[in-house]
Formats: sequence, structure tokens, C-alpha cells
Amino acid sequence: IAGITQAPTSQILAAGRRMTLRCTQDMRHNAMYWYRQDLGLGLRLIHYSNTAGTTGKGEVPDGYSVSRANTDDFPLTLASAVPSQTSVYFCASNTMASEIRNTIYFGEGSWLTVV
Amino acid sequence: GQQLNQSPQSMFIQEGEDVSMNCTSSSIFNTWLWYKQDPGEGPVLLIALYKAGELTSNGRLTAQFGITRKDSFLNISASIPSDVGIYFCAGQPAGANNLFFGTGTRLTVIP
Repeated sequence: IAGITQAPTSQILAAGRRMTLRCTQDMRHNAMYWYRQDLGLGLRLIHYSNTAGTTGKGEVPDGYSVSRANTDDFPLTLASAVPSQTSVYFCASNTMASEIRNTIYFGEGSWLTVV
Repeated sequence: GQQLNQSPQSMFIQEGEDVSMNCTSSSIFNTWLWYKQDPGEGPVLLIALYKAGELTSNGRLTAQFGITRKDSFLNISASIPSDVGIYFCAGQPAGANNLFFGTGTRLTVIP
């Protein structure tokens, strides 16, 4: 069972460079999310997509963009990376089969260091 | 954004002891989830709660959805070394499908 696949696993990036973190899920989940995890701050939502073709902003969207061209893929792009974007990024998905019983599943994470 | 207060921030316990951690929110949630995260990995779902007052077990883990819908607790009985990790609570506000996370409880089990 593959579940959610993120790439790259880790990356060191020069400030000012453009970077896309890839996320693919094979569970046919409707909703997908990107979170960043920072020490002492827990997981914070960057962007989300309730279904293919739609996206929305989370708690910390500035400096990031997403697209959802199909159900399986939800890439996260940093247009011009800054050191404050050094973090661990987690992609997640959710069935949204019913609002009553939603459960969110996470990928393994992408460790990004901006220098 | 939503405020979730998770406590304690860290715990050092002896193997075999029971553990309790809790999470409170400033608003009403429809769903409470508890996750565990091991170093270098993503959070893994432990228990999901969908109804106020619900008490759910998963092996040695027990979690409850508070009656006020503003809190939840997680208990681990007879802790073992592999229980080490960071435990996160997460809540889903009514009408939303995204989660808000607590800042985590770091558990260390001393053999």
C-alpha cells in the first residue's frame, strides 16, 4: 500500500531559488493538504484542496502556491525560497466521504533547508 | 486561527507506568484525532473521535471526546519503550475539513 508519496525526501536550497515539493496519493482521496512542522509550533496548514480543480489558503499561505490538476497530485511551490521556509513539509489527504467521519493521513515528510 | 493547548509538553516516565495527556480548545470541535510521530516520519493516526462523550480504545491506548466538545484526553496504559515519540492532538472545527494541531507531547519511556 503506497498511500501518500512525497518527493524529495530532503533538499538544501539556496535562497531565492524556486522549488516544488511533489505529493501523490493513490487512495483516490478528494481532499489534500500541505502542512509545515516547526519546533514548538506543531503542524500548521499552508494550503488545501477539497477536490480536483479547487484550492484554498490555510493558516500560513504566504510564499507558497499549490495546484490541483487531478485527484492524485498536489504539488507545493516556493516561488522564491527564504530561510524562514526551512521546515519539514507534510502532505496529507482525506476521503471527505462524509464530514462526520473525516480522517486525515500523512506522508513521510520533505525536509527543506533554505540557506 | 484556532488555539489548541496540549499538555504536558514533555513527559519522562518509567516503563510500565500509565500516561495521560490532554488537549483543550477555545472553540467547539466536531472531531478529535490523536496522532503519534516518530523521528523522521510523518504523524500516524492512533485514535479518532467523532462524538461528544465518546470513549475509544486501541490496544493500550484510550481516548475520550469531552462532553463540552472543547477537550480530549489520551491515556496510555503500561507504557513500553516503543511508546517513545511525540503525540499530537488534532481537532476539526464544525463545518471545516481541515485540522488544527496541538504543539505535541514528547514522551520518553525509561526502561
